This record gives sequence, structure tokens and C-alpha cells, in this order.
Amino acid sequence: NAGVTQTPKFQVLKTGQSMTLQCAQDMNHNSMYWYRQDPGMGLRLIYYSASEGTTDKGEVPNGYNVSRLNKREFSLRLESAAPSQTSVYFCASSVRTGLSNQPQHFGDGTRLSIL
Amino acid sequence: ELKVEQNPLFLSMQEGKNYTIYCNYSTTSDRLYWYRQDPGKSLESLFVLLSNGAVKQEGRLMASLDTKARLSTLHITAAVHDLSATYFCAVPADRGSTLGRLYFGRGTQLTVWP
Repeated sequence: NAGVTQTPKFQVLKTGQSMTLQCAQDMNHNSMYWYRQDPGMGLRLIYYSASEGTTDKGEVPNGYNVSRLNKREFSLRLESAAPSQTSVYFCASSVRTGLSNQPQHFGDGTRLSIL
Repeated sequence: ELKVEQNPLFLSMQEGKNYTIYCNYSTTSDRLYWYRQDPGKSLESLFVLLSNGAVKQEGRLMASLDTKARLSTLHITAAVHDLSATYFCAVPADRGSTLGRLYFGRGTQLTVWP
């Protein structure tokens, strides 16, 4: 039972390069989320997708774009990476909150360094 | 904007001792989540608190929610080394909504020593 799978697990980029972080869930969840975690800052929401076909900005969306490819997959793209985007990125998924008491389930994270 | 404050941010305690972690939030919410994160690992759900007065217990951890005070506590009883981790509380950003956005506290890094 894989849950939430993120790829890659580690990545080093140079400033200005682009890349896409992939996330897939096999729990038939409607909602998916991208967070970043910085030391001492907790998790901050970048973008989320409440259901297939919709995406919305979170707390810190600048410099990122997302695509909800289908119900299972939600990708995060950095078009022109900056050192300030060095962070650990977590993808999460959940059943639609208003319809369930279940918490969000998190992937193992992608550790991204931008030089 | 919803603010979620945890304290303490760092907690070093001896095995066998008791302690409480506090989570305050700034706007009305009817639910709260507690997560645990081991170093370099993902977040694991500990408790889902769904109403005022809710209390959940698992092992040496007990969580409670007071929605009127906008306060949740995570109480540790007779700490053991295996409880060493970072603990986060999280509050929904949109009460009554199905959007599911969460605001997280900064986390409490707990170290239990012999």
C-alpha cells in the first residue's frame, strides 16, 4: 500500500534551472496539497487542489506552478529556481475535508537544494 | 490570516517525566490535528480532534481541544526515548469548508534523555 509517492527524493539545481516535482496517491483521495518545510517554520501551503480539475494558491505560491494531471497525480513546477526555494517539499492528500474526519496523508518529501 | 502558535518550540525532558505542549490558534475552528515527524522523515498523523472538549489518547500521549479558548494540548506522560520527535499541530483555514487547507504551527522539537 504505497499511499503518497513523491519523486525525486533529492535534487540539486542551479539558479535559473527548472524542474517538476511529481506526486501520486493511490488512496482515491479527492484533495491534494503541496507544502514546503523550512527549518523552524513548520509547513507552509504552496498550492492545493480541492478536487480534480481545480487548483488554488496557498500561503506561499510565488515562483511555483501546479498541475492536477488526474485524480491521482499533482505536480509542482519551479520555472526558474532561486536559492530561496531551497527547502523540503511535501505532497499530501485527503478525502474532501467537509465529508470526512480523516487527516491529510503525507509523502516522504523531496529535498531540494538550489545553488 | 489564521495564526497557529506552539510552545515550547524546543523541549528537552528526562525519561519518566510529564510535560505538556500547547497549541494556540487565532480564529474559530472546530477541529485540530496533531502530527509527529521523525528527523528526515514524513509527517505521521497522531490525533484528529473534532469538537470542543474532545480528548484522544494513545499510549503516553493525550491530546485535548478547547475550541472556546482556541487551545489544544498534547500531554506526555512518563516520557520515553522513542517519543523524541517534532510534534506539529495544524488547524483548518476554512471553517465549514471542504477545501481542506491547513495552517501548521512551527513544531515542538522534543528530546527525551535517560
